[in-house]
Amino acid sequence: DQQVKQNSPSLSVQEGRISILNCDYTNSMFDYFLWYKKYPAEGPTFLISISSIKDKNEDGRFTVFLNKSAKHLSLHIVPSQPGDSAVYFCAASSSGGGADGLTFGKGTHLIIQP
Amino acid sequence: EAQVTQNPRYLITVTGKKLTVTCSQNMNHEYMSWYRQDPGLGLRQIYYSMNVEVTDKGDVPEGYKVSRKEKRNFPLILESPSPNQTSLYFCASSLNAGGLPDTQYFGPGTRLTVL
Repeated sequence: DQQVKQNSPSLSVQEGRISILNCDYTNSMFDYFLWYKKYPAEGPTFLISISSIKDKNEDGRFTVFLNKSAKHLSLHIVPSQPGDSAVYFCAASSSGGGADGLTFGKGTHLIIQP
Repeated sequence: EAQVTQNPRYLITVTGKKLTVTCSQNMNHEYMSWYRQDPGLGLRQIYYSMNVEVTDKGDVPEGYKVSRKEKRNFPLILESPSPNQTSLYFCASSLNAGGLPDTQYFGPGTRLTVL
């Protein structure tokens, strides 16, 4: 049973437009959420995180929104650039940072088209 | 159920005492990898394996060893653990290292504390 779901295996967006990647979770104990970006044959790289006490966190072109009542978070990338083409993983933790491990979604492959 | 398992989930040990963290996947994946996660640093790759008997260093391989004698298992070995190896470790696997999309399955994590 997947506790963290990324229902879109892939997403295609034009360069310069906004990319919105979605993630849903089922475990109400999750209180810390992260996004990772992964290029082929490389390990995932941490992108941005958000604690359940916030509903938005912004870092440059990346913004993560958290809707606790809907158990939903999203990653917005604006403007999208060719280098953003990668697989993005959503991850969640129930101990504010990973003391009990992270539960990952399966990833969304973002393709930025010129 | 397709999964990556790690054991133990939690381990407290002392400096210099050899330990092994096991990782196993049941998906017949070729690619397996170990990561450590530290606060503020995200996930960093320790070692990876493209297939049986093929392993290579990741970004932070110092102090670790791995082996890939069978496709399903990829143990992480700390010959002489030190306190700076206190971390949260993830094993992961994917069908292959290249090609897109690359869905990577992660294990649940192993919290290691070295005193």
